[in-house]
Amino acid sequence: NAGVTQTPKFQVLKTGQSMTLQCAQDMNHNSMYWYRQDPGMGLRLIYYSASEGTTDKGEVPNGYNVSRLNKREFSLRLESAAPSQTSVYFCASRSTGAAANEKLFFGSGTQLSVL
Amino acid sequence: QQQVKQSPQSLIVQKGGISIINCAYENTAFDYFPWYQQFPGKGPALLIAIRPDVSEKKEGRFTISFNKSAKQFSLHIMDSQPGDSATYFCAASMNTGGFKTIFGAGTRLFVKA
Repeated sequence: NAGVTQTPKFQVLKTGQSMTLQCAQDMNHNSMYWYRQDPGMGLRLIYYSASEGTTDKGEVPNGYNVSRLNKREFSLRLESAAPSQTSVYFCASRSTGAAANEKLFFGSGTQLSVL
Repeated sequence: QQQVKQSPQSLIVQKGGISIINCAYENTAFDYFPWYQQFPGKGPALLIAIRPDVSEKKEGRFTISFNKSAKQFSLHIMDSQPGDSATYFCAASMNTGGFKTIFGAGTRLFVKA
């Protein structure tokens, strides 16, 4: 059982380049999330998808777009990368069900550097 | 505007001591308060969580204390061990609008052997 899988694990971009971070979960979860982690800032929510076919902005959505491709996959796209987007990106999915414990399952992260 | 404020940023505790991390929130719509533990190079993992209808929850050496009127909650790690050295995040979520979870800034705990 893989859980939440993120690719790539590491990426270096030049300013202005674009890329897509991929995320897939095999736990049949409805809700998926993208966070960025920066020193001293904790985890900040970029975008989330409460269910297949829906996406919403989180705390720091500027410069990003997302696609909920199907129930399993939720991708994050940087259209024109900026140095301020240098960060570690985490994808997560949420367990669901009656009185769900609302547990987030995280991937292992993507370390992105924008030069 | 930081919705969940966490302190301290870092904490050094002797082995066997008590580690205490504090958090405060502003939005009274939050109805679920988890703590996540993160080791270097890994994603965060749920450690323990509480709902606002109880004032305390204990799981092994880990205890959450919750003060609804003050909008504060804290994590206590009893008998702290070197293996507890990690970054701890408090968080808050609400049971509407996609169950968004908002995290605090994190506390780096180091337990000295």
